[in-house]
Amino acid sequence: SQKIEQNSEALNIQEGKTATLTCNYTNYSPAYLQWYRQDPGRGPVFLLLIRENEKEKRKERLKVTFDTTLKQSLFHITASQPADSATYLCALETGGSYIPTFGRGTSLIVHP
Amino acid sequence: NAGVTQTPKFQVLKTGQSMTLQCAQDMNHNSMYWYRQDPGMGLRLIYYSASEGTTDKGEVPNGYNVSRLNKREFSLRLESAAPSQTSVYFCASRGLAGVGQYFGPGTRLTVT
Repeated sequence: SQKIEQNSEALNIQEGKTATLTCNYTNYSPAYLQWYRQDPGRGPVFLLLIRENEKEKRKERLKVTFDTTLKQSLFHITASQPADSATYLCALETGGSYIPTFGRGTSLIVHP
Repeated sequence: NAGVTQTPKFQVLKTGQSMTLQCAQDMNHNSMYWYRQDPGMGLRLIYYSASEGTTDKGEVPNGYNVSRLNKREFSLRLESAAPSQTSVYFCASRGLAGVGQYFGPGTRLTVT
């Protein structure tokens, strides 16, 4: 069956370090992979989308990589700040589908 | 430009009562979605509407109905609420396949 895995354990890092979050998947051939940020009590906010033919995408301090051979995406936040503390969700979507499927998210805690 | 709005923000129902959750978007998006989010379960799709006039079941449709009233509005109805429907409900929209979704602020529903 199709599965999306994100680390259920919270990632704790020090301010200024690079945070790296992982999204692994099985039995998918995603055309797109998306990353969202969710703060407690609020709806997810779209951050970045990467296509299957793209290896890397950047936006300010954010970087996403997509390895379709390893079936994995890495989400990096450089020079992390306490304000980056949130839950980060990945979502996969096959081509022609209108339906992204979400992972359960990983909590990031950045300590000052 | 309000984005995606949802009403109500909070609701408490007794088992067997009915209610409708309202969602509206002002971004002229074609696709709209209803998700529920439960602790440890991530976002699960209830229903979606790829375009005005069409609706389709998602992963967990039982106990729910939807109406795509027009391009802007997509409502979710619980005909006979059950405690298992206690959850946070999010509405989302987007313009095209392969782009990020915009989420509303959520409705926190408790069924006693």
